[in-house]
Amino acid sequence: AQKVTQAQTEISVVEKEDVTLDCVYETRDTTYYLFWYKQPPSGELVFLIRRNSFDEQNEISGRYSWNFQKSTSSFNFTITASQVVDSAVYFCALSEPYNNAGNMLTFGGGTRLMVKP
Amino acid sequence: ETGVTQSPTHLIKTRGQQVTLRCSSQSGHNTVSWYQQALGQGPQFIFQYYREEENGRGNFPPRFSGLQFPNYSSELNVNALELDDSALYLCASSPERQGQNTEAFFGQGTRLTVV
Repeated sequence: AQKVTQAQTEISVVEKEDVTLDCVYETRDTTYYLFWYKQPPSGELVFLIRRNSFDEQNEISGRYSWNFQKSTSSFNFTITASQVVDSAVYFCALSEPYNNAGNMLTFGGGTRLMVKP
Repeated sequence: ETGVTQSPTHLIKTRGQQVTLRCSSQSGHNTVSWYQQALGQGPQFIFQYYREEENGRGNFPPRFSGLQFPNYSSELNVNALELDDSALYLCASSPERQGQNTEAFFGQGTRLTVV
């Protein structure tokens, strides 16, 4: 069975601070996909990144960066120089291997990030 | 290109009633998934439809059922509503790309309250 754990339920930072959101996953599959989504108060989940299990390269996109470590089953997300607009709930998710028809995502419980001015 | 749209945005139902939620997938996407998100929790996978067939199901009872239409839009039906069914119901659509999982694009959700 797949499981995603986001141990930090809430994080509060002051604007311009760096913040890291932790994600630990469990799966028996050797091929899998990891995702991060952002959920602003409007409710819609906004896709941030997809990473497959064979690609352990870290990725940077503007102020966002992701650290994938297969050895520790972690896929952490760092926001550099946080801004008030980054305030949202962030979800890490895991998908089973490609099944011919898209994804069935297992989500973590989410981390609520509050960035104060 | 239009995104994923869901209707209605809010709904209040009485325990024991039935409800139908609707989702229009993003243009070009043939896969639709439904998720239930209780307050303060992560979304939970309900089921997925691919080319009008159910293609996977989470740990939800049979009173949760669905349909996908030839234009790839979808419905989620819940019978005999219970108080615990109160949640945000999210629909997601995905394109099909052979050999790889793709990202799911989510709608804004339907907030269902059962009283």
